[in-house]
Amino acid sequence: EAGVAQSPRYKIIEKRQSVAFWCNPISGHATLYWYQQILGQGPKLLIQFQNNGVVDDSQLPKDRFSAERLKGVDSTLKIQPAKLEDSAVYLCASSFYRGGDRPNEQYFGPGTRLTVT
Amino acid sequence: LAKTTQPISMDSYEGQEVNITCSHNNIATNDYITWYQQFPSQGPRFIIQGYKTKVTNEVASLFIPADRKSSTLSLPRVSLSDTAVYYCLVGVNQAGTALIFGKGTTLSVSS
Repeated sequence: EAGVAQSPRYKIIEKRQSVAFWCNPISGHATLYWYQQILGQGPKLLIQFQNNGVVDDSQLPKDRFSAERLKGVDSTLKIQPAKLEDSAVYLCASSFYRGGDRPNEQYFGPGTRLTVT
Repeated sequence: LAKTTQPISMDSYEGQEVNITCSHNNIATNDYITWYQQFPSQGPRFIIQGYKTKVTNEVASLFIPADRKSSTLSLPRVSLSDTAVYYCLVGVNQAGTALIFGKGTTLSVSS
């Protein structure tokens, strides 16, 4: 079974530039997540999609970050304009949706390491 | 959201059993306890999940006392490849489906 794919793996940009990350989840996974992981910290959820609808974007800095999931499959996360503090690893994860109280097992991609100079 | 407390770091030697305890005093009735493992330059990976008593799989065991205010991840006979960050997660986001990560425990295994 293919895992979660992300690209690019690394990106270096200057502050105020824009950048986009791409994620292809595991086939059949209805739920897709984007996380930001700053060095030395745990992943922080930015946005969660259920199919192509947003169910949680409470921690997404909407003045500069945007995300979309077209047709309920692939997703892109964009930062415009980037700031120095956006330097982090951006992780995409996906999971089945089964409802109920039991959290779904999340499958993570390798991440994109962003450096903003 | 239940807040978790776990040691920042732990050291062990190959072949030893490692127990990482997580405290979650305000766990809700419907919360599950989930553990993830993260190697450098990789995304987290699911290890084990439980609600009460004991859960065991091919990788680890999870012990949960009756009051559920803490839990212990047990890794039998660790090897160098078990060096990683281990996250204890309890509670979900406002959508009720995504887990909240803390800082985790960095486990270092030496030969």
